[in-house]
Amino acid sequence: EDQVTQSPEALRLQEGESSSLNCSYTVSGLRGLFWYRQDPGKGPEFLFTLYSAGEEKEKERLKATLTKKESFLHITAPKPEDSATYLCAVRDTGNQFYFGTGTSLTVIP
Amino acid sequence: NAGVTQTPKFRILKIGQSMTLQCTQDMNHNYMYWYRQDPGMGLKLIYYSVGAGITDKGEVPNGYNVSRSTTEDFPLRLELAAPSQTSVYFCASNGRGSSYNEQFFGPGTRLTVL
Repeated sequence: EDQVTQSPEALRLQEGESSSLNCSYTVSGLRGLFWYRQDPGKGPEFLFTLYSAGEEKEKERLKATLTKKESFLHITAPKPEDSATYLCAVRDTGNQFYFGTGTSLTVIP
Repeated sequence: NAGVTQTPKFRILKIGQSMTLQCTQDMNHNYMYWYRQDPGMGLKLIYYSVGAGITDKGEVPNGYNVSRSTTEDFPLRLELAAPSQTSVYFCASNGRGSSYNEQFFGPGTRLTVL
């Protein structure tokens, strides 16, 4: 069964303190791994798509990497405005999407 | 472009009532999706559509129905509402080609069934 697990559930960082969020997955034929940001009371906002092991993508202070079993979202020198829930999802060959439960990130000034 | 819009934003239903959640996108996207998000459970795919006239079941379709008569609209129908359908519902869409895997989400509908 396709499955996505994210850790930690919650993370508190001081402003400027870099860290990483983990997303481990099992999927029957990966058609893409996705990272989203979700602010309270809003829909998820697309960040990245990764397709194959070794691929990396960057956007401002965020960098996503992918291996055959997991993905990491690295946050470098975070700011308070980076506080949000970060969601990971995979798409399988049957066009189904499976989401993890998210990591709630709080960046303290 | 307004992107993906959903109505209503909030709704309270009594057990056994029915309702339709509306979703419209103005990006000419072929693919549209309905998800529900429960606390601590992550988003679950209910139904999806790859184009007008074509729909398919996701992970949790029971208790719901959809239709796709136009490219823009993808309504979700709840028949005989149950407390287990209390959730936040999100509609999403994506296009083809380079935007195939970039899903755009609507703001959500918060539904409570009492």
